[in-house]
Amino acid sequence: QKEVEQDPGPLSVPEGAIVSLNCTYSNSAFQYFMWYRQYSRKGPELLMYTYSSGNKEDGRFTAQVDKSSKYISLFIRDSQPSDSATYLCAMKSGRNQGGKLIFGQGTELSVKP
Amino acid sequence: SAVISQKPSRDICQRGTSLTIQCQVDSQVTMMFWYRQQPGQSLTLIATANQGSEATYESGFVIDKFPISRPNLTFSTLTVSNMSPEDSSIYLCSGGGAGPTAQYFGPGTRLLVL
Repeated sequence: QKEVEQDPGPLSVPEGAIVSLNCTYSNSAFQYFMWYRQYSRKGPELLMYTYSSGNKEDGRFTAQVDKSSKYISLFIRDSQPSDSATYLCAMKSGRNQGGKLIFGQGTELSVKP
Repeated sequence: SAVISQKPSRDICQRGTSLTIQCQVDSQVTMMFWYRQQPGQSLTLIATANQGSEATYESGFVIDKFPISRPNLTFSTLTVSNMSPEDSSIYLCSGGGAGPTAQYFGPGTRLLVL
């Protein structure tokens, strides 16, 4: 079993839709949770970063972490064609773990105008 | 945040040869990492580049195949040695802090081995 599982999609939605992207994980030591966005032929860029459980909102994006279920989500409201990209969840353990990130497989999202 | 650049951006190489990829960060970072991303796959950590000492390799990756240097806090190189077609991939450099801050990625080097 992989430490981090993510549905690779592809996911296709119409413009304006609410998008829900999810990851599950098995390692209860994970405390830091990130979402990266990767456009075609580019490196991943950090989108959202959350510590422990709870919600974090940034504009149209909301990240949720449920540590009891080992489940994290990224919601995109009013999705735009410019949101079309691959979204990767990533997570790591405590502060002194050397910053090693474990990534999900990535979900390819396409927002149609 | 940190801005990371990589050279070359892409290359086509013959099997049996070696390629060195350079990674430059615009500010000093505590940690630097090298990842591989194969088509349709997630990022796999190759190694942590340690300043002034030998890199720390992940399971399945060895120094003879992927020698890494990190002479200072802003620069690192990854060499892919004795290449085979199975080494065709995107190689990504990443930098960040040792604390809870996230990592930032370079644009990647797209390698095709014939």
